[in-house]
Amino acid sequence: DTGVSQDPRHKITKRGQNVTFRCDPISEHNRLYWYRQTLGQGPEFLTYFQNEAQLEKSRLLSDRFSAERPKGSFSTLEIQRTEQGDSAMYLCASSSQRLNQETQYFGPGTRLLVL
Amino acid sequence: AQKITQTQPGMFVQEKEAVTLDCTYDTSDPSYGLFWYKQPSSGEMIFLIYQGSYDQQNATEGRYSLNFQKARKSANLVISASQLGDSAMYFCAMRETGNTGKLIFGQGTTLQVKP
Repeated sequence: DTGVSQDPRHKITKRGQNVTFRCDPISEHNRLYWYRQTLGQGPEFLTYFQNEAQLEKSRLLSDRFSAERPKGSFSTLEIQRTEQGDSAMYLCASSSQRLNQETQYFGPGTRLLVL
Repeated sequence: AQKITQTQPGMFVQEKEAVTLDCTYDTSDPSYGLFWYKQPSSGEMIFLIYQGSYDQQNATEGRYSLNFQKARKSANLVISASQLGDSAMYFCAMRETGNTGKLIFGQGTTLQVKP
């Protein structure tokens, strides 16, 4: 197992452009999470999937943000009309509900810079 | 509301010595899970150790141990025999009550190991 992967690792975009990030979780994990981390802060929860169903979204997730997890496998996070305040590290994590601890394992993150 | 507090923004430790990183938490739920993650400058969140609220013994994983004091609501991470590679940001997190399993993170502590 290669762990959680994310693509791209870095993204620089101009304000107003749309961006899409991809996350591939650990294959047997049914739970998938997106977090956002700004400089010097801990990660903050954005949204959660159980299999293909998006079961919770944070109020941090404005209408410009949308996430999907088709077929309960990989997930995408899209930001439309990016703003400078969207600059952050976007972290994806996965876990298995079947395991007692339900430890979340994180990917390497996508660093977004909006100019 | 659940909350994690890490009061040490930065810590220094001499190589080969032990260091304790503080974490206090607040929750009214009797069942909860506490996690420590390491985040090197590369950005990836690396799982270190887990403590469940009903666990009778303090968790240990190699050079990492968790000093769990339930009555004081503290879950301090102890790193023994510090190595230069331990220099990183360390986050304490709590799994939030409810069905999602999302994590609430503290502000983090930057640890620098001196040779």
